[in-house]
Amino acid sequence: QSVLTQPPSASGTPGQRVTISCSGSNSNIGINYVCWYQQLPGTAPKLLIYRNNQRPSGGPDRFSGSKSGTSASLAISGLRSEDEAYYYCATWDDSLSGVVFGGGTKLTVL
Amino acid sequence: QVQLVESGGGVVQPGRSLRLSCAASGFTFSDYAMHWVRQAPGKGLEWVAVIWYDGNKKYYVDSVKGRFTISRDNSKNTIYLQMNSLRVEDTAVYYCARDRRRFGEVFDYWGQGTLVTVSS
Repeated sequence: QSVLTQPPSASGTPGQRVTISCSGSNSNIGINYVCWYQQLPGTAPKLLIYRNNQRPSGGPDRFSGSKSGTSASLAISGLRSEDEAYYYCATWDDSLSGVVFGGGTKLTVL
Repeated sequence: QVQLVESGGGVVQPGRSLRLSCAASGFTFSDYAMHWVRQAPGKGLEWVAVIWYDGNKKYYVDSVKGRFTISRDNSKNTIYLQMNSLRVEDTAVYYCARDRRRFGEVFDYWGQGTLVTVSS
């Protein structure tokens, strides 16, 4: 059971906008920045968003992040077939003194 | 360009030890914290450990405390994960990841991973 809670699955059609939620607590998301990672099948994860809403250099602007209280969200606009992947949220947890991940959300592009 | 190459994985019996290595290149290694993250077959990501840029601070997930040790050699641009008293539940792909800063929790570059299988 993961410290951060994500829906196990999400789906959308090409061109749609989808959002993935990530719920935590006052010891993690409530007081620390949130990151999001994308993991394509058979590959290592890739950083998508850091500091709640910042994209790494060269990162596509179709991906955006937000945070409110103890929850965070990843939004993907203009959905493409190549976005089909697992998405993970992560943050530092002050009570555990370590990084915690969500369980991951499998995004299917219909 | 940034490259992280893990090695040392393999099949090991429960209770035995294994040491993983991660060789880094393409950046000033001593300016960044480094992490190990693992992924059990068919499961999600689990952070394992972090070592700060100068090696002075280390943190571990509870399930490996007292069994695993993270270390780094800034002269060799390499980090290590010494894994003792291995358990079946330690079976996973182990990724080495660079942090964005000297200390932190953002993994901006990842290696390709090395598979550790703990089985009798």
